[in-house]
Amino acid sequence: QVQLVESGGTVVQPGRSLRLSCAGSGFMFKDYGIHWVRQAPGKGLEWLAVISYDASNIFYADSVKGRFIISRDNSRNTLFLQLTSLRPEDTAVYYCAKDRGNGYGWGLLEFWGQGTLVTVSS
Amino acid sequence: DIVMTQSPDSLAVSLGERVIVNCRSSQSLLYSSNFKNYLAWYQQKPGQPPKLLIYWATMRESGVPDRFSGSGSGTDFTLTISSLQAEDVAVYYCQQYYSSVSVSFGGGTKVEIK
Repeated sequence: QVQLVESGGTVVQPGRSLRLSCAGSGFMFKDYGIHWVRQAPGKGLEWLAVISYDASNIFYADSVKGRFIISRDNSRNTLFLQLTSLRPEDTAVYYCAKDRGNGYGWGLLEFWGQGTLVTVSS
Repeated sequence: DIVMTQSPDSLAVSLGERVIVNCRSSQSLLYSSNFKNYLAWYQQKPGQPPKLLIYWATMRESGVPDRFSGSGSGTDFTLTISSLQAEDVAVYYCQQYYSSVSVSFGGGTKVEIK
């Protein structure tokens, strides 16, 4: 069955960087767009970024553009999110989510991982 | 950017009663070329990731009980739970994917048992 497993979340000081990973299995990883979405404690869902199946198209939310970088390694069935210049307000659970549409995707998030917690604190 | 607004923020309903959650978008989500509304609903139970319930505004995801239904078109949408069950306690989010490269979510509606 489809599985997405995020990792890399930890406690990090403000201003530092962190790389999150999302390992996919149970589907043809290389054929689908994947998204990152975060959820601050007790808050709603915030879409962050999407990468197309071949990494040729990448889009970010304005709130993270220039600080976060999404990438993927299809040979390892893995998605990444590089977080830089971290702020306390970046504290959240970070989810990766598979798009329903193959190729460039539809924006419909049909399956989500369990998430990884990033805490930005001194 | 398309802004999604949900109402109410929370509601408490007795078991077996009907639940209605509203969602409004800042622009139409109806794509004229295929007459589809690019609107989805997700359910998030405590400690779990969101789960896709409804897409194209009215299509139930496989395995979702038929007490869940979606309606609406253009800018106004509704998620209805026809008869609330204990396992339906969750936060429900609407999401637009009209702009597939900049999707956005509503603020969420918390559903509890009265």
